[in-house]
Amino acid sequence: DTGVSQDPRHKITKRGQNVTFRCDPISEHNRLYWYRQTLGQGPEFLTYFQNEAQLEKSRLLSDRFSAERPKGSFSTLEIQRTEQGDSAMYLCASSTNRGTDTQYFGPGTRLTVL
Amino acid sequence: QKEVEQNSGPLSVPEGAIASLNCTYSDRVSQSFFWYRQYSGKSPELIMSIYSNGDKEDGRFTAQLNKASQYVSLLIRDSQPSDSATYLCAVKRNTDKLIFGTGTRLQVFP
Repeated sequence: DTGVSQDPRHKITKRGQNVTFRCDPISEHNRLYWYRQTLGQGPEFLTYFQNEAQLEKSRLLSDRFSAERPKGSFSTLEIQRTEQGDSAMYLCASSTNRGTDTQYFGPGTRLTVL
Repeated sequence: QKEVEQNSGPLSVPEGAIASLNCTYSDRVSQSFFWYRQYSGKSPELIMSIYSNGDKEDGRFTAQLNKASQYVSLLIRDSQPSDSATYLCAVKRNTDKLIFGTGTRLQVFP
């Protein structure tokens, strides 16, 4: 039983560049979540999907952020025109909508914007 | 007022002692409550979930929920140095997103 995986684990980019992160959820999980965590803070919700439908999107998510889950399996999070304030750990989690609603987190992608 | 509040710590306890971590939440419609452990540089790892008032025990961990007072706590018995981490409290209301506190840093010294 493999857990949630994320790729890449680390990304260093220059301000203004676009970056894309990938998340592969636990195989039988139909819900997938993206969170962002900065130093000394708890994770903040960004968006989530049930299958391929994006059901909720935080007001924190500016127009530069877009997320997709085209086939209801893996998801991508793209940040366009990165800013230094985007530097954070981007966490993906998945869960089922049957029984327990526990969210299991992947290892995260640490983004550094120079 | 923050939706989920935790004392940032650090909470320092000697090895073998009981560590008590507390969390309060502001929204009475909160339905599900979770404790995650996060080691430095790593992602959150679920320790306990609790849904109804009272205590829930799992090994050395006990979660306590009091919906009337809007608090949830985590007790760690026989604390070990390996328990040193940040403990995140998270709540879920009537949507599926988790709302996290800022976490409490626990230090267990030998």
